[in-house]
Amino acid sequence: GAGVSQSPRYKVAKRGQDVALRCDPISGHVSLFWYQQALGQGPEFLTYFQNEAQLDKSGLPSDRFFAERPEGSVSTLKIQRTQQEDSAVYLCASSWTQGQNTEAFFGQGTRLTVV
Amino acid sequence: AQKVTQAQTEISVVEKEDVTLDCVYETRDTTYYLFWYKQPPSGELVFLIRRNSFDEQNEISGRYSWNFQKSTSSFNFTITASQVVDSAVYFCALRISNFGNEKLTFGTGTRLTIIP
Repeated sequence: GAGVSQSPRYKVAKRGQDVALRCDPISGHVSLFWYQQALGQGPEFLTYFQNEAQLDKSGLPSDRFFAERPEGSVSTLKIQRTQQEDSAVYLCASSWTQGQNTEAFFGQGTRLTVV
Repeated sequence: AQKVTQAQTEISVVEKEDVTLDCVYETRDTTYYLFWYKQPPSGELVFLIRRNSFDEQNEISGRYSWNFQKSTSSFNFTITASQVVDSAVYFCALRISNFGNEKLTFGTGTRLTIIP
């Protein structure tokens, strides 16, 4: 497809499990972002890549959260030892260039529920 | 630090009425970008508009219009002759213009319900 693709769409994890969320950005997009959206809230920034370089990870809530984009395309957000407060929708977005005069295109998100 | 406030949590209007969604932002940067996104029940954030801080000209796109006023730090969004398909959560967002810092700061959103 032409848009940002995320998988899985839904994930239920037992507390303490590790999870991996995948994002396929729009082909050729340089910038990639991960956001966390709690129920009834706006998206909160987690981390940002330009190509394979992770330029900003200031939003990652703890060292249990790790993101990578090894070849500058597909990205994976990994959460280790999940906890109930990790339950949220995780949104991925990509944009065309590293310039400022662009907009980010979002995927449909992965809804993570930790039980 | 940047902040976006959407004071209206939920709005309901009858179809064909006009409705305005408010957005107030805070930033110390002189160059920044403002956005509106629509989030339908499917969950995907749909881009509606981007406006840079040097362009205060109002914009109209079909039934949508945006009013940007730097003097009041507001970037309000009006839907004219609302339709049921406009029902969604709408987010206002801010991005400052720093190389290597392209993250968006979102408001908490306004849930708009259009009553047929």
